[in-house]
Amino acid sequence: DTGVSQNPRHKITKRGQNVTFRCDPISEHNRLYWYRQTLGQGPEFLTYFQNEAQLEKSRLLSDRFSAERPKGSFSTLEIQRTEQGDSAMYLCASSLPTGSHEQFFGPGTRLTVL
Amino acid sequence: KNQVEQSPQSLIILEGKNCTLQCNYTVSPFSNLRWYKQDTGRGPVSLTIMTFSENTKSNGRYTATLDADTKQSSLHITASQLSDSASYICVVTSNTGGFKTIFGAGTRLFVKA
Repeated sequence: DTGVSQNPRHKITKRGQNVTFRCDPISEHNRLYWYRQTLGQGPEFLTYFQNEAQLEKSRLLSDRFSAERPKGSFSTLEIQRTEQGDSAMYLCASSLPTGSHEQFFGPGTRLTVL
Repeated sequence: KNQVEQSPQSLIILEGKNCTLQCNYTVSPFSNLRWYKQDTGRGPVSLTIMTFSENTKSNGRYTATLDADTKQSSLHITASQLSDSASYICVVTSNTGGFKTIFGAGTRLFVKA
């Protein structure tokens, strides 16, 4: 396990379709975070988990977005009824709950909604 | 309002030259400040982390400074290389209850031969 992995790396979908992204964190990290990043901007926080518990959600996470981490390991982020404004890079990060809480990021999933 | 402001928005320098990127923040209470490097199409990678009591930290050709009194940080890159072309993001974490990590918009650095 060399780092955080995300799948798929790229997703192109038509408006109105549902999409699901997967994140596999570093194995000993029990905190997992989702971010959205648009061109020229820094990552924007969406939500985070400690183990399987979703502890905080941003107001950016509308009702069309849902994230799960059922067994406290990998996580999925689903977007229902996609809109063109959902086009962005979706980043996942993981960290330990102690120490510096440094977040290690995955490569991201680039979503394009046509 | 908790904010992280970075300047300049973008910067072009010649290979071999030095440069300094700025970060001002209003996040409170302060826990730590990190600089990340993000290559195009990739996730951010941590360069340095500083807590309240640290005012400078180096990682190879990267040197970060922190002035907790004025809430300012800088990232100095020495003898730039073409591979330094990337976005550099300043991230400030608060130690209040709940999750509070604020990302700056980043400085886009272009190093030209």
